[in-house]
Amino acid sequence: GQNIDQPTEMTATEGAIVQINCTYQTSGFNGLFWYQQHAGEAPTFLSYNVLDGLEEKGRFSSFLSRSKGYSYLLLKELQMKASASYLCAVRDRDYQLIWGAGTKLIIKP
Amino acid sequence: NAGVTQTPKFQVLKTGQSMTLQCAQDMNHEYMSWYRQDPGMGLRLIHYSVGAGITDQGEVPNGYNVSRSTTEDFPLRLLSAAPSQTSVYFCASGQGGESSEQFFGPGTRLTVL
Repeated sequence: GQNIDQPTEMTATEGAIVQINCTYQTSGFNGLFWYQQHAGEAPTFLSYNVLDGLEEKGRFSSFLSRSKGYSYLLLKELQMKASASYLCAVRDRDYQLIWGAGTKLIIKP
Repeated sequence: NAGVTQTPKFQVLKTGQSMTLQCAQDMNHEYMSWYRQDPGMGLRLIHYSVGAGITDQGEVPNGYNVSRSTTEDFPLRLLSAAPSQTSVYFCASGQGGESSEQFFGPGTRLTVL
């Protein structure tokens, strides 16, 4: 079967750095997405990786290793408004998105 | 642009009732989809469409029907509601390319008693 694994919950301090990991086993690979979802709201797009390596976008970066079936989202200079769930999704060989259950990030002052 | 809109935002049904969740987008996206989100689980694809007149089943299609008569609209019909269909339903649209992000509607919170 297809599977996306992420930690259920993480806690970090305002101003710090946090790394949210995602491992996947899917039938084929056509890209990996990260979305942010605030409580009670819709997911919003953060990043897309299809090649190995690091993609940087201001306060966050996303890394991919296809050989290891692994990605992480790195959030820097954490602000309180980054408290949210972070969803990892992989596009499989049929171009369907397989979603992880999400990581709830709690930021403390 | 309004983006992706969904109605209603909240709905309570009794077992056996039917209803339609509405979804519309004004971005001229070819790809539209319906997901359900349950606690502790990832988003699960119910049905999707790659263009007007074309629909296909996702991971969990049973108990739901869709149609796509226009590019803008993609309604989801619950045929005979069951408590197992209590969930948050999201409609999403995208341009359909490989790197294309999906834009989500605000969601419909459905409770089936």
